[in-house]
Amino acid sequence: GAVVSQHPSWVICKSGTSVKIECRSLDFQATTMFWYRQFPKQSLMLMATSNEGSKATYEQGVEKDKFLINHASLTLSTLTVTSAHPEDSSFYICSATTGTSGNEQFFGPGTRLTVL
Amino acid sequence: DQQVKQNSPSLSVQEGRISILNCDYTNSMFDYFLWYKKYPAEGPTFLISISSIKDKNEDGRFTVFLNKSAKHLSLHIVPSQPGDSAVYFCAASEGTSYDKVIFGPGTSLSVIP
Repeated sequence: GAVVSQHPSWVICKSGTSVKIECRSLDFQATTMFWYRQFPKQSLMLMATSNEGSKATYEQGVEKDKFLINHASLTLSTLTVTSAHPEDSSFYICSATTGTSGNEQFFGPGTRLTVL
Repeated sequence: DQQVKQNSPSLSVQEGRISILNCDYTNSMFDYFLWYKKYPAEGPTFLISISSIKDKNEDGRFTVFLNKSAKHLSLHIVPSQPGDSAVYFCAASEGTSYDKVIFGPGTSLSVIP
């Protein structure tokens, strides 16, 4: 099956620093990748949709200058949390579509971000 | 306004019995539905899906039922196993394009040995 990886799996950083999270499709080309955020005991919240070679489309309420998304290739998308604050602490999950499996999204294992 | 609802935040079932997870939606344009399973600190994994042209789809122990007139779908797990303990997300989208999928809040299933 389609495999999506995320790196790092967890990260702890100081307030004010920036953190980059990578999302890779390992065995397929992903024309579209999605970034989600999950708060404890809450659903997945879509942050942005990223298409290779174009600017990401952000959901309402998501600050695009704070959450920078780059989808430079068909197998890699990155999310950079700039000037992180404790309220940015969360579980960030990416997903990708193969383009041939309907709406099925293949999810990465997630990245736990803790901002001190 | 939540377009996909899972009104039961948690459910406990005895091993071997049937687990029924329910999902309701409000957007009548939704015509493709998916269920995902998620363990703590992991990404969701796809479980089963159903198109609006069907009212039932079965895959092993998992069956999804769709009632379009009621805008309701359910996931049945028979027999339930302890390894099924996880959070189950119902999701919906319009069409079979690769547009964003709307997730419900999830139901935490505990299967008691």
